[in-house]
Amino acid sequence: AQSVTQLGSHVSVSEGALVLLRCNYSSSVPPYLFWYVQYPNQGLQLLLKYTTGATLVKGINGFEAEFKKSETSFHLTKPSAHMSDAAEYFCAVSGAGSYQLTFGKGTKLSVIP
Amino acid sequence: GAGVSQSPSNKVTEKGKDVELRCDPISGHTALYWYRQSLGQGLEFLIYFQGNSAPDKSGLPSDRFSAERTGGSVSTLTIQRTQQEDSAVYLCASSSGGPSPLTDTQYFGPGTRLTVL
Repeated sequence: AQSVTQLGSHVSVSEGALVLLRCNYSSSVPPYLFWYVQYPNQGLQLLLKYTTGATLVKGINGFEAEFKKSETSFHLTKPSAHMSDAAEYFCAVSGAGSYQLTFGKGTKLSVIP
Repeated sequence: GAGVSQSPSNKVTEKGKDVELRCDPISGHTALYWYRQSLGQGLEFLIYFQGNSAPDKSGLPSDRFSAERTGGSVSTLTIQRTQQEDSAVYLCASSSGGPSPLTDTQYFGPGTRLTVL
């Protein structure tokens, strides 16, 4: 079985500060990892995904994530937060023959001016 | 259309009534998914359709829930005899259904917010 743990249901950062959203996964096979963002009253939008190859993945809006197998982590970062980054972020995993995404509980990011 | 669309955007119903939620996937996408997003449970997979194959219903929480996909396009999620715990946002997603479904990007609709009184 697969599972995803996102540390911190709510993270606040100042505008211009580093954004770090943590995600750890559990999977018995090599996972495929995803980060999605959800703006208020909207559906989920893919930020980035890791399948194979380079472990540092760059996504949209300046976000990136690094797959660290030894730490079973896939943390999301952005060097400088913008007000428009305020949203809820979900880490997800697929694999082990399952095409259904298993999501973490989500982290709500607030950006303080 | 340009993206996944869902209707209605909001649905309020009384306990015990049946409801139907609709999803229009991105044109040409053969794979379609339903998820439920609720406060207590987060995002949960419900059901998956791929082309003409039998759907994967492993995530449906009870036999009150069913879904169909007509003509390989539009899908309807039906909840019979609704209960208050069914209140949630129901999200639909579609993907191209290519040769690597595990890595396919799923594109999500805006969801239907269901409230059962």
